[in-house]
Parts: sequence; structure tokens; C-alpha cells
Amino acid sequence: AQSVTQLDSQVPVFEEAPVELRCNYSSSVSVYLFWYVQYPNQGLQLLLKYLSGSTLVKGINGFEAEFNKSQTSFHLRKPSVHISDTAEYFCAVKGTGNQFYFGTGTSLTVIP
Amino acid sequence: DTGVSQDPRHKITKRGQNVTFRCDPISEHNRLYWYRQTLGQGPEFLTYFQNEAQLEKSRLLSDRFSAERPKGSFSTLEIQRTEQGDSAMYLCASSQASIGETQYFGPGTRLLVL
Repeated sequence: AQSVTQLDSQVPVFEEAPVELRCNYSSSVSVYLFWYVQYPNQGLQLLLKYLSGSTLVKGINGFEAEFNKSQTSFHLRKPSVHISDTAEYFCAVKGTGNQFYFGTGTSLTVIP
Repeated sequence: DTGVSQDPRHKITKRGQNVTFRCDPISEHNRLYWYRQTLGQGPEFLTYFQNEAQLEKSRLLSDRFSAERPKGSFSTLEIQRTEQGDSAMYLCASSQASIGETQYFGPGTRLLVL
């Protein structure tokens, strides 16, 4: 079975500063990894995903993530955050089945 | 493409009542997922359909929960004899079946059981 751990429940960061949101997964099989963002009162939307190939994945809104198989991690990064990045971020994993497993989320607050 | 829609957006009910939620997926998507999300948690898988067939159900899904997708288009999720512990946001997502499919989520139905 797969599981996802998001190590930080809340991350405050000043505007224009870099940010990293951490995600670790556990799985005995190959996995596909996703980051979703949920803005207040909106549905989840995909930021980026890793399926195979290059371990550095670029997504929307300037976000990127790096797949590290040896550390079973898929951390999300952005070099310079904006106020509009304030949201809840979820890491998710999909294994050989068709179930998606989500982490508990990280609340990113960008401080002006 | 109007996205995934869910109805109602909010539902307040008394314990013991039955409730039904509807999800309309993106029209060309053949997979439809239901999730439950409680405060401070990520979405928790409940069940999913490929076309009209319900292929997987979470072991956590009580017998009081049932879902249908009769014509492979919209889906309904019914909760019978609601309990206070059923209070949550119920999310629907749709996708086109593939290895690394992207799920598109609806806005959710927030259920409050009094």
C-alpha cells in the first residue's frame, strides 16, 4: 500500500522569498506523484506530476518539484512566492492500482 | 468544457436522514472518483468508476454509502442513516483513464449532520 507524508502542516513565508514544501511517500512499487493546490473555496487543481523521465518536473505558476527515489521524496519548490500563492497544497501518490493517496496538506501563507 | 460540477454545494441534515449528492464530470472523461475530506486532512478515496462500472471501493466505506453511475456520465453518492461522523466535504473528480491521469476536481459538497 502507498502512503504520503507532508511534514509541514503550515508554512509561513514572506513575499518574494523561496519556499519548499516537503513530501515523502512510501511504496514498494513504482509510483506516480502529484502536487495539487486548493485555493480558498475552490476545487483542487493540478500543479504538476511526475510519471517518468527527468526527475525535475516543472508545473504551473512557477512551481517545480524533484523526484528523489532514494529518499522517497517529491518536494515542491518555488524560487519567489507571491501573495496569490497562499493556498493549501496536497501531495498525492498513485501506485499500480487506480487509487490516489493524498497527504494531509500544507497550508502556505505568503506574508506581504 | 465547463469542468466538474457538484450539487448541492452545501447540505445540512439531521442524524438518521438519507442524503444524495450528484456529480457531473467533464463529458469526455471515463473515470469518476469520489473522495471525502475532513478538516485538516487530505482527500480520502471512497470509490471510483470506469464508465458505468464501479471498480474499486475503499474498505473504509460503510455499508451506508452507495454510489452509482448508471449511464457512465453523472454519478450519485447516497448516504443512508447519516451520522455526525459523516460531516465532511465530499469531492468528486473525473479523468481520462491513463497511467498518469490528471484528475479534475469539482468544488465539493459540504455536508453537516446535526
